[in-house]
Amino acid sequence: GESVGLHLPTLSVQEGDNSIINCAYSNSASDYFIWYKQESGKGPQFIIDIRSNMDKRQGQRVTVLLNKTVKHLSLQIAATQPGDSAVYFCAEATGGFKTIFGAGTRLFVKA
Amino acid sequence: DGGITQSPKYLFRKEGQNVTLSCEQNLNHDAMYWYRQDPGQGLRLIYYSQIVNDFQKGDIAEGYSVSREKKESFPLTVTSAQKNPTAFYLCASSIALGTSAYEQYFGPGTRLTVT
Repeated sequence: GESVGLHLPTLSVQEGDNSIINCAYSNSASDYFIWYKQESGKGPQFIIDIRSNMDKRQGQRVTVLLNKTVKHLSLQIAATQPGDSAVYFCAEATGGFKTIFGAGTRLFVKA
Repeated sequence: DGGITQSPKYLFRKEGQNVTLSCEQNLNHDAMYWYRQDPGQGLRLIYYSQIVNDFQKGDIAEGYSVSREKKESFPLTVTSAQKNPTAFYLCASSIALGTSAYEQYFGPGTRLTVT
């Protein structure tokens, strides 16, 4: 069935380093992918999205890469800061409201 | 400030009691959603609503009920029929269904504990 999973449940990086959070998806028909950030005790916040007809999209300090051949999505955070510590979810969507969320990766930033 | 509010932040109930979680948005969004989040898992869709007086079951609707009498409000009732109600509940909204719906705005969540 449909599933969105993450390769690593936790990731620890040094402040100032770049972070890469990976995600695998299984539905080749998904046409939209989203990354959310969830801080402790709060609701998820939209970070960046990418459509299936794109390979890369950049935002402020974040880049999302999409590899449809291997059904892989990644979120790169440049110059990781303590405020980036959170759980990051990838999600895939197909046609309208239906969004499937992965389990999440917890990012720890060491000072 | 525009946004989504959920209340209360923490809720405790005895087993066998129904409980209603509040969700209000002032973003003028048409679509609203309820998700459940359990430790180590992603968000699972309980119910969603495209428009006032209309709502649809999500993936795990059993034991839950909703209403959408106003555009701004989408309360969720956790009934005694829900076997494992203890969880973190998240409400979200989006502009409309279709591609605009992909960017969902989430509330701060309500942590429900049933003993």
